[in-house]
Amino acid sequence: DVKVTQSSRYLVKRTGEKVFLECVQDMDHENMFWYRQDPGLGLRLIYFSYDVKMKEKGDIPEGYSVSREKKERFSLILESASTNQTSMYLCASSSLLAGTTYNEQFFGPGTRLTVL
Amino acid sequence: GDSVTQMEGPVTLSEEACLTINCTYTATGYPSLFWYVQYPGEGLQLLLKATKADDKGSNKGFEATYRKETTSFHLEKGSVQVSDSAVYFCALSGNTGFQKLVFGTGTRLLVSP
Repeated sequence: DVKVTQSSRYLVKRTGEKVFLECVQDMDHENMFWYRQDPGLGLRLIYFSYDVKMKEKGDIPEGYSVSREKKERFSLILESASTNQTSMYLCASSSLLAGTTYNEQFFGPGTRLTVL
Repeated sequence: GDSVTQMEGPVTLSEEACLTINCTYTATGYPSLFWYVQYPGEGLQLLLKATKADDKGSNKGFEATYRKETTSFHLEKGSVQVSDSAVYFCALSGNTGFQKLVFGTGTRLLVSP
């Protein structure tokens, strides 16, 4: 089974702190994604990566950065956390199939971040 | 841009009742359509998908048919169980460019015994 793990289920940080959210997948997937999930807004894509050291902005990248130094690991960084970044953060991964535009994304359990 | 609209919840049903969760979409071309489910305390998992018009996706008793004429992909189940209580997300992926998903806002389903 594909497994996507996230470093913490719950995290509480203070405004202005630098926050690292880690995601690891064990299926050698090329693509990795970071979403945030908020009530009434569904999931919104923050950043994604289709290869090591490659990254692309999603729909709401402001206030976030990412790092992908190894294929299995994709980190989301909040340089200076703010209260409006309190949310559920979900990581996902998928493999790259030649000749298709979509392959199933596998999600981690999420990290619920509270910024005080 | 592409978008997905799904009915607001919560949807509250008794066990063995029929379920329909409406989903409509706006997209250029011919997107692929998906239903994801999120059980309490877990991440999302793919429930079913359809990649072209008139395709029917099915899994675990759930079904959805890709209707291009009405731009809809409604989720249905004939008899729900308490274990179906979860949040259901409709999503699409455009047929060009990178493998990005566009999600609806989610519909919470609560099934009581």
